[in-house]
Amino acid sequence: AQSVTQLDSQVPVFEEAPVELRCNYSSSVSVYLFWYVQYPNQGLQLLLKYLSGSTLVKGINGFEAEFNKSQTSFHLRKPSVHISDTAEYLCAVSALRGGTSYGKLTFGQGTILTVHP
Amino acid sequence: DGGITQSPKYLFRKEGQNVTLSCEQNLNHDAMYWYRQDPGQGLRLIYYSQIVNDFQKGDIAEGYSVSREKKESFPLTVTSAQKNPTAFYLCASRPKGTDFLAGGTYEQYFGPGTRLTVT
Repeated sequence: AQSVTQLDSQVPVFEEAPVELRCNYSSSVSVYLFWYVQYPNQGLQLLLKYLSGSTLVKGINGFEAEFNKSQTSFHLRKPSVHISDTAEYLCAVSALRGGTSYGKLTFGQGTILTVHP
Repeated sequence: DGGITQSPKYLFRKEGQNVTLSCEQNLNHDAMYWYRQDPGQGLRLIYYSQIVNDFQKGDIAEGYSVSREKKESFPLTVTSAQKNPTAFYLCASRPKGTDFLAGGTYEQYFGPGTRLTVT
């Protein structure tokens, strides 16, 4: 089984400041990793994903994340945030089973990012 | 435009009543999922279906039921046996059987959600 821990439930920052949202996971098998963003009362939108290859992954809206296998982490970063980045961010993992994943996602508890002017 | 639709966006029911939440997709995806979201708990998997006429329980299936009679539709019924049904419900889909080595992808695509309030 997999588990995901998002270490901060809320992160307040000022506009144009850098931000890091932390995500750690636990799994006995290899995993794929995802970050989703959710605006209030809306569905989830994929920000970025790590499947293989380069450990630094770039996503939409200027976000990037780095996969660290030894620390089982997949932290999300943005060098300069905007008011419009205010949302909930969810980290998720999907186990690789052989050569095909069943696609089941295990989510963290979510981090609410609030950007202040 | 291709996508996932969930209706209605807000739903109110009295305790003891069953209620069915709609989920439709025109992405031609094989797999579909239902999640429940509560504040501070992330998303928890209720049921999923890999193919028509087949579905599997997720982590919190008690008090819920589903059907998958058509590829594009995966309705969720919240029964009166669900002890705490008030929540935000999200439906998702993904292409099934996409092998990464063959260039497939693994993310799920989400609908806009239905907020159910039971009083």
